[in-house]
Amino acid sequence: DAGVTQSPTHLIKTRGQQVTLRCSPKSGHDTVSWYQQALGQGPQFIFQYYEEEERQRGNFPDRFSGHQFPNYSSELNVNALLLGDSALYLCASDREGSEQFFGPGTRLTVL
Amino acid sequence: AQSVAQPEDQVNVAEGNPLTVKCTYSVSGNPYLFWYVQYPNRGLQFLLKYITGDNLVKGSYGFEAEFNKSQTSFHLKKPSALVSDSALYFCAVRDKFSGTASKLTFGTGTRLQVTL
Repeated sequence: DAGVTQSPTHLIKTRGQQVTLRCSPKSGHDTVSWYQQALGQGPQFIFQYYEEEERQRGNFPDRFSGHQFPNYSSELNVNALLLGDSALYLCASDREGSEQFFGPGTRLTVL
Repeated sequence: AQSVAQPEDQVNVAEGNPLTVKCTYSVSGNPYLFWYVQYPNRGLQFLLKYITGDNLVKGSYGFEAEFNKSQTSFHLKKPSALVSDSALYFCAVRDKFSGTASKLTFGTGTRLQVTL
């Protein structure tokens, strides 16, 4: 049973560029959440998708957007990258009533 | 707003000794509490959760946590630490366990160092 998978593993971008990160949820899960983990910090909630709609959003600017597809996979898009966007981006999935399972993350470096 | 606090940045313990990693929470209503562990360059792994019921919750890898409502705490414990337990531990709270609005709010993390 495959767990949560994310791609790519690592990514290097320059300021002002745009990036797309991808996530496939654990089999049987229908809800996907995205978190940003800066170095030395706990994960911060970005947003959550359920039934292809954004269900809840954290305190992140509109530069951060997402999408969920009919197969429950999800994308996180970040526009106009800033140096401060450098972080580990974590995807988590769950099915209502269960705990969240996390993927290995995508390490984004913005130069 | 919900929050959790992990007062210790690092906990050091000798292998074979018991360990405790502390967490306190602040929520309105019933708390739904979780512990996760993160190894270097890895995502978070679920250890255990408290939803309701017994105050002592047993989880993966021999870990357990004690829920204390009067002290608003949810400390992670293990009777005998292993060197392989060395990692970063996060406490988290969820505003609802099912239905809408199920984001996790994490603490700042506690690094556990187990030495021989």
